[in-house]
Amino acid sequence: AQSVAQPEDQVNVAEGNPLTVKCTYSVSGNPYLFWYVQYPNRGLQFLLKYITGDNLVKGSYGFEAEFNKSQTSFHLKKPSALVSDSALYFCAVRDAGSGNTGKLIFGQGTTLQVKP
Amino acid sequence: DTAVSQTPKYLVTQMGNDKSIKCEQNLGHDTMYWYKQDSKKFLKIMFSYNNKELIINETVPNRFSPKSPDKAHLNLHINSLELGDSAVYFCASSQGQTSSYEQYFGPGTRLTVT
Repeated sequence: AQSVAQPEDQVNVAEGNPLTVKCTYSVSGNPYLFWYVQYPNRGLQFLLKYITGDNLVKGSYGFEAEFNKSQTSFHLKKPSALVSDSALYFCAVRDAGSGNTGKLIFGQGTTLQVKP
Repeated sequence: DTAVSQTPKYLVTQMGNDKSIKCEQNLGHDTMYWYKQDSKKFLKIMFSYNNKELIINETVPNRFSPKSPDKAHLNLHINSLELGDSAVYFCASSQGQTSSYEQYFGPGTRLTVT
């Protein structure tokens, strides 16, 4: 069965410092990995995805994520955090071999708090 | 231009009532979804439709019935509402069924059952 773990409920970082939001996954086959962000009282917004190829994926708003197959991780990173990055971040995984009926499985979410 | 829209944004109702939530996407996508986000922000898929055909039907009570009149719309009807149905319901769409496509989410409908 697929699963996603985000080990930190909350990450606190000072503005201008680098940030990392952690994600590990488990799938039986190859993973398709996604990061989404949810601002208060809003829907989820797609940030980036890993499908195949380069392990370092760049996405919206200066975010990037690194796929590490041996550690089954897909951590979200940003070199310099902004206060406006404060939000709830979700990692999600889908089994590449699941075909048409594959479900997107979400982690429990990590709240990112960036302080001025 | 709103890509995925839902109505209503807020829905407060009493136990036992029947209610519907509507969803529309103007992205030209073939696949649409309903998700439930509980009070702990945990997000779980309920249904998925592709070109009006039901693809994913999770273990959801029969009181929940999705309807897709065309591929741009996916509505959710809930019968005999219960307290435990209180949650935020998100509609989403993607370009196709293939696993690699990202999903685009609506703003959510906050359902409160009293």
